[in-house]
Amino acid sequence: DAKTTQPPSMDCAEGRAANLPCNHSTISGNEYVYWYRQIHSQGPQYIIHGLKNNETNEMASLIITEDRKSSTLILPHATLRDTAVYYCIVRVYSGGGADGLTFGKGTHLIIQP
Amino acid sequence: KAGVTQTPRYLIKTRGQQVTLSCSPISGHRSVSWYQQTPGQGLQFLFEYFSETQRNKGNFPGRFSGRQFSNSRSEMNVSTLELGDSALYLCASSLLASGSNTGELFFGEGSRLTVL
Repeated sequence: DAKTTQPPSMDCAEGRAANLPCNHSTISGNEYVYWYRQIHSQGPQYIIHGLKNNETNEMASLIITEDRKSSTLILPHATLRDTAVYYCIVRVYSGGGADGLTFGKGTHLIIQP
Repeated sequence: KAGVTQTPRYLIKTRGQQVTLSCSPISGHRSVSWYQQTPGQGLQFLFEYFSETQRNKGNFPGRFSGRQFSNSRSEMNVSTLELGDSALYLCASSLLASGSNTGELFFGEGSRLTVL
């Protein structure tokens, strides 16, 4: 699986949009971009994933650049409960017997009141 | 529906002992995978079971083992515990192997193991 690079930490004011970047310059054509987050002392939580098109769900939006070498997770209206470590992961979306997820260090997002 | 349930939530063992952790996946999910999380190494994949068969294994010694039962519940065992095995052990379930269908893994709250 391709390696990802994320800033170790970021701050964002409550109510503002939080934009979390991720670089994955070695991503291959069949690798998807996944985002998970982990709130302190809890298990990771799936947020969103995508291949090349931008994606949106009830939690967030995922913007993937045209060359797919980077992406941005957007939390449109951050709340204090969004304070967590956010992990960007790229991996092959295979039909079965796939390897486990490779989590990096992630970005510690701190929402300021 | 109920989420992924892991037991016990906390446990303390001494070096040389063994431990068994349990995971009940979301109803209908057939894949269970296990991860170890430590402050130094972060989240690392241990292994994945699908329909009672180990499909994939991470880079851990043979002291770490697991199994899955016909009802999809899974257990992992660590034998001859070492101090470095102190960690949060997380279980995740998905409909298919390693979340291959939707990309979505559902994690439990974890079992925190302390080895003294």
